[in-house]
Amino acid sequence: EAGVTQSPTHLIKTRGQQATLRCSPISGHTSVYWYQQALGLGLQFLLWYDEGEERNRGNFPPRFSGRQFPNYSSELNVNALELEDSALYLCASTPSLGDGNQPQHFGDGTRLSIL
Amino acid sequence: GDSVTQMEGPVTLSEEAFLTINCTYTATGYPSLFWYVQYPGEGLQLLLKATKADDKGSNKGFEATYRKETTSFHLEKGSVQVSDSAVYFCALSFYNQGGKLIFGQGTELSVKP
Repeated sequence: EAGVTQSPTHLIKTRGQQATLRCSPISGHTSVYWYQQALGLGLQFLLWYDEGEERNRGNFPPRFSGRQFPNYSSELNVNALELEDSALYLCASTPSLGDGNQPQHFGDGTRLSIL
Repeated sequence: GDSVTQMEGPVTLSEEAFLTINCTYTATGYPSLFWYVQYPGEGLQLLLKATKADDKGSNKGFEATYRKETTSFHLEKGSVQVSDSAVYFCALSFYNQGGKLIFGQGTELSVKP
């Protein structure tokens, strides 16, 4: 079984640009979660998608957005990049509308660096 | 709000030493509790979980018991190996929040031969 895959592995941008990060969940998983792992801030919940809809959102500004496609893959878009957006962005998936007891399966992340 | 607090790292141990990583939580309900591990350059992997009070999660020699009275979920291992060197995250989630995880800050463990 293929795990959660994220692309690209590394992404270098400059301030003000836009970044697009991609995630493919495990086959059969319909829920996708995005987390930000920034130095000194730990892991913070960003977004949750299930069946193509945004189900929950963390405490992040609107320039962080995303979507989920019919094949359940997902994109995270970050507009007007700022230096503090430099972080590892992790994607995770679960089999169905998460019930809080199901463990999340994580990808290896996309390292976003803002110059 | 809901939160998770872990003991600060880094923790450095010799091989075969006993490991305890403390984790306490604050929550307005009865969450499920998890330990995730992150090896260098990789994403997170579930290590163990417990979904109700007094449950004990265990995996690969690691154990943690859900203690409602002390709101704790401490991670223990009787004899660590060099290969256990990683960052360990304690986390909670609620049934009615669809699995959104709230993480502690992580504890880095370094095991020396």
